[in-house]
Amino acid sequence: DQQVKQNSPSLSVQEGRISILNCDYTNSMFDYFLWYKKYPAEGPTFLISISSIKDKNEDGRFTVFLNKSAKHLSLHIVPSQPGDSAVYFCAASVKIQGAQKLVFGQGTRLTINP
Amino acid sequence: DVKVTQSSRYLVKRTGEKVFLECVQDMDHENMFWYRQDPGLGLRLIYFSYDVKMKEKGDIPEGYSVSREKKERFSLILESASTNQTSMYLCASSWREYGYTFGSGTRLTVV
Repeated sequence: DQQVKQNSPSLSVQEGRISILNCDYTNSMFDYFLWYKKYPAEGPTFLISISSIKDKNEDGRFTVFLNKSAKHLSLHIVPSQPGDSAVYFCAASVKIQGAQKLVFGQGTRLTINP
Repeated sequence: DVKVTQSSRYLVKRTGEKVFLECVQDMDHENMFWYRQDPGLGLRLIYFSYDVKMKEKGDIPEGYSVSREKKERFSLILESASTNQTSMYLCASSWREYGYTFGSGTRLTVV
């Protein structure tokens, strides 16, 4: 039962263009959504987040959009840079026993081509 | 700068061995987590702990146990390692907000 889904295993984008990564979820109890970036042989690092009460959050080149009715969120990176090449994980947060548990998607490997 | 340290980057163990993966955080965080990452499956939660000596099963706890005797240390134990436990293991900690800080990971190979 995959509650958070990233249906595109990989994405290739030309440098300078926009990268759009997508994520779908099924659980209406999720109250926060996050994107993490992961390089090989490193742990994931936090990129950007959005509360379930908002529909957009922007931080520099990164913008996350949330469509609650469609249970869909997306990450936009513009302009894309070679250093953005990594695996991106979408995550959704739910509170269990006082701890915020994160449920992750399968990841999308983004490759930025020069 | 906050830090989550996993004791080993790479481990090779034999089938049937008892394996300990150690994780230490220096941020005084209450919550700690163990995930495994496998291609096409993303990160899956094995166990988490919201306080010293407290533990909760995640989504895939079978074959694993954990120990949290001190706030800063959270250990993952493979009681009898099997080849299907070959994976990248990631430890994370958080306090009351939503962001996790992850360690660099331990790539475990069971032969």
